Amino acid sequence: ETGVTQSPTHLIKTRGQQVTLRCSSQSGHNTVSWYQQALGQGPQFIFQYYREEENGRGNFPPRFSGLQFPNYSSELNVNALELDDSALYLCASSLGGEGYGYTFGSGTRLTVV
Amino acid sequence: GNSVTQMEGPVTLSEEAFLTINCTYTATGYPSLFWYVQYPGEGLQLLLKATKADDKGSNKGFEATYRKETTSFHLEKGSVQVSDSAVYFCALSPTPGGYNKLIFGAGTRLAVHP
Repeated sequence: ETGVTQSPTHLIKTRGQQVTLRCSSQSGHNTVSWYQQALGQGPQFIFQYYREEENGRGNFPPRFSGLQFPNYSSELNVNALELDDSALYLCASSLGGEGYGYTFGSGTRLTVV
Repeated sequence: GNSVTQMEGPVTLSEEAFLTINCTYTATGYPSLFWYVQYPGEGLQLLLKATKADDKGSNKGFEATYRKETTSFHLEKGSVQVSDSAVYFCALSPTPGGYNKLIFGAGTRLAVHP
């Protein structure tokens, strides 16, 4: 079975720009969650999608948005990038919302300059 | 609110030493508890889990027991190897079954020397 694949692996953007990060979930998984991991910190929950609908959101502003597609892959979009958005963005897929079933991708390292 | 506190790292040990990484939590209800490991350049991997009080999770020689009375979930291993060098994250899921989201601690870096 394939794992979770994220693209790109690294990205450099300028403050104020917009970015789209992509995630292909593990085969058979219908739920995707996104996390932001700042340097030296633990991952912070951004939001979760289940069957193409957002069903949970963390303490992130509306400029963080997402999509889930019929094949359960997902996108994370961030508008009006700020320097503090520099982080590793992790995607995790699961069958349903069960935390112990999460499979994490290797992440996208976003640097905002 | 819900939160997880881990001991600060780095933790530096010699091979075959005993490992303890402390983790305490604050939560309402009955959360599920997890330990994840992150190797350099990789995503997080689930190491072990416990879903109710007094449960012991174990995997690859690592163990942790869900202690509701002390709100703790300390990670232990009797004899570490160089290959155990990584960052370890304690996490909780605020609802039974782990639905919806994980709340992570800040992580503890472990360095094991030969």
